[in-house]
Amino acid sequence: GQNIDQPTEMTATEGAIVQINCTYQTSGFNGLFWYQQHAGEAPTFLSYNVLDGLEEKGRFSSFLSRSKGYSYLLLKELQMKDSASYLCAVIIGDNAGNMLTFGGGTRLMVKP
Amino acid sequence: DSGVTQTPKHLITATGQRVTLRCSPRSGDLSVYWYQQSLDQGLQFLIQYYNGEERAKGNILERFSAQQFPDLHSELNLSSLELGDSALYFCASSVADGVGYGYTFGSGTRLTVV
Repeated sequence: GQNIDQPTEMTATEGAIVQINCTYQTSGFNGLFWYQQHAGEAPTFLSYNVLDGLEEKGRFSSFLSRSKGYSYLLLKELQMKDSASYLCAVIIGDNAGNMLTFGGGTRLMVKP
Repeated sequence: DSGVTQTPKHLITATGQRVTLRCSPRSGDLSVYWYQQSLDQGLQFLIQYYNGEERAKGNILERFSAQQFPDLHSELNLSSLELGDSALYFCASSVADGVGYGYTFGSGTRLTVV
């Protein structure tokens, strides 16, 4: 089976830095995505990692270690609007097709 | 607007009924994916179509079926509906197989079964 684990909830303070971890055990790996999802809305793309290392994009950075089956999303200078669920997802597939398999999501609450 | 269009936005129906959810992918995208998200749950992959053909299948119930038409829009059919089928149903699309490109999600259809 596919296992993608991330904490259920986290709380952080406005202006601070928060790190959301994700570990995965999957049969096959074609990359790891992070999505942001506000309640009742569509997930929106944040980042993609396929090689080991850190990808930085503005206030958001994502790290991947394939040998450890581990990724994290780093959010800097937190803003109230960053309160949302953050979804870790692994793309698994072969020539026949692929599926983006999601973890349960981490609900982040940013407090003043 | 993500470019992926889903209709209807909301649907309320009774148990035992059948409904059809529609999705138009972003222009140029050949792959369409369907996901189910129950209350406070993660996104569960249902099925993928690529250029009209089924490519990958997840935990899709036998009461559910889907297809992708020549104009690339897709429909998800849910039959013999049960209360537990109440959920947000998302459609997503990608250029090819999603690797490296990610998926673009539509705004979803909220299905309520009463």
